[in-house]
Amino acid sequence: EAQVTQNPRYLITVTGKKLTVTCSQNMNHEYMSWYRQDPGLGLRQIYYSMNVEVTDKGDVPEGYKVSRKEKRNFPLILESPSPNQTSLYFCASSLSAGSSKNIQYFGAGTRLSVL
Amino acid sequence: GESVGLHLPTLSVQEGDNSIINCAYSNSASDYFIWYKQESGKGPQFIIDIRSNMDKRQGQRVTVLLNKTVKHLSLQIAATQPGDSAVYFCAERRGKLIFGQGTELSVKP
Repeated sequence: EAQVTQNPRYLITVTGKKLTVTCSQNMNHEYMSWYRQDPGLGLRQIYYSMNVEVTDKGDVPEGYKVSRKEKRNFPLILESPSPNQTSLYFCASSLSAGSSKNIQYFGAGTRLSVL
Repeated sequence: GESVGLHLPTLSVQEGDNSIINCAYSNSASDYFIWYKQESGKGPQFIIDIRSNMDKRQGQRVTVLLNKTVKHLSLQIAATQPGDSAVYFCAERRGKLIFGQGTELSVKP
């Protein structure tokens, strides 16, 4: 089954404790992206990757890191989480950013609380 | 103090009626549009898309209409069912996808 898988689904942590949210897709998609979703603000892009070893900042990259060592995986790293990073996070992938269609497929989400 | 998020626009319809969900987009240069459905506790799910050179596209029970003159996109759901209850939001592409905030659809049995 074609899917985007995020782990964990729920995470409660404390300020300053490094964490990683994993994302994996099995569709051989080139493009992957991380979003955060907050009430009243909708989906905001954190980082994206056009292909392996190519990553770029989105609209709200501060406090986050990503890596794309393999095509299928795109982990989101919070080196020193802070309470304002409490949010619902989504990973998404699409065939390529430049195709005539750009349907992004989303994971189920990771709800993160930073205390 | 604690910040309070804005409430989403809501649409309440009777089961079996047709639903129309609207979206205003911001940039006339946007060349591609997508409607997503997000059920509670789940990630956004693709419903239907439309390119800017079209003004209408139909899927199964859903129709998307694009009015470029007024930069308006709508999603019509025929014979709305309880399973259609969700937040619906549009996305426009200008280089990257820009997402709207969404409308919460509630279906009354």
